[in-house]
Amino acid sequence: GQSLEQPSEVTAVEGAIVQINCTYQTSGFYGLSWYQQHDGGAPTFLSYNALDGLEETGRFSSFLSRSDSYGYLLLQELQMKDSASYFCAVRGSNYQLIWGAGTKLIIKP
Amino acid sequence: EAEVAQSPRYKITEKSQAVAFWCDPISGHATLYWYRQILGQGPELLVQFQDESVVDDSQLPKDRFSAERLKGVDSTLKIQPAELGDSAMYLCASSRGQGNTEAFFGQGTRLTVV
Repeated sequence: GQSLEQPSEVTAVEGAIVQINCTYQTSGFYGLSWYQQHDGGAPTFLSYNALDGLEETGRFSSFLSRSDSYGYLLLQELQMKDSASYFCAVRGSNYQLIWGAGTKLIIKP
Repeated sequence: EAEVAQSPRYKITEKSQAVAFWCDPISGHATLYWYRQILGQGPELLVQFQDESVVDDSQLPKDRFSAERLKGVDSTLKIQPAELGDSAMYLCASSRGQGNTEAFFGQGTRLTVV
């Protein structure tokens, strides 16, 4: 079967750095995406990794290791507005997006 | 800024009734997705269109759900008859093409079946 594993909840302090891990097992792999979803809102795209390595976009970075079927999202200088759920998603065969269950990020002042 | 439009935003329906959702993707986006999201879970793909053709509907409960995108632009998802377990958020998303990395989501339709 196809599956993505990510922690259900992560807690961090405002201003700190947090890493959200994602491991995957899928048939076919074109890349790993990360999406942010605030309560009651729609998912919004954060990043995409097709090749191994680190991609940086402002305070957010995403990493991929295809040999380990592993990736992570790194959030720096955490702000209260970063409190949300974060989803990893693999673009697999048929170009479909296979989603993890999401990680709820709780930020404390 | 272009957006994916969905309607209605909220829908309450009685069990065994029919319900329909509408989605208008971003202009020029060939790929359209319908997802179902239960609170606390990730989105589950129901159906994926490339233009007017269905690419993947393996997770669509075809005995009660149907989806169409007749002219390859807007799309309708229908449930008939609705069941209590169908209560969820129904999200529509679009992307320029199947290989494009970013999918843009609408605000969703929150369905409550009573």
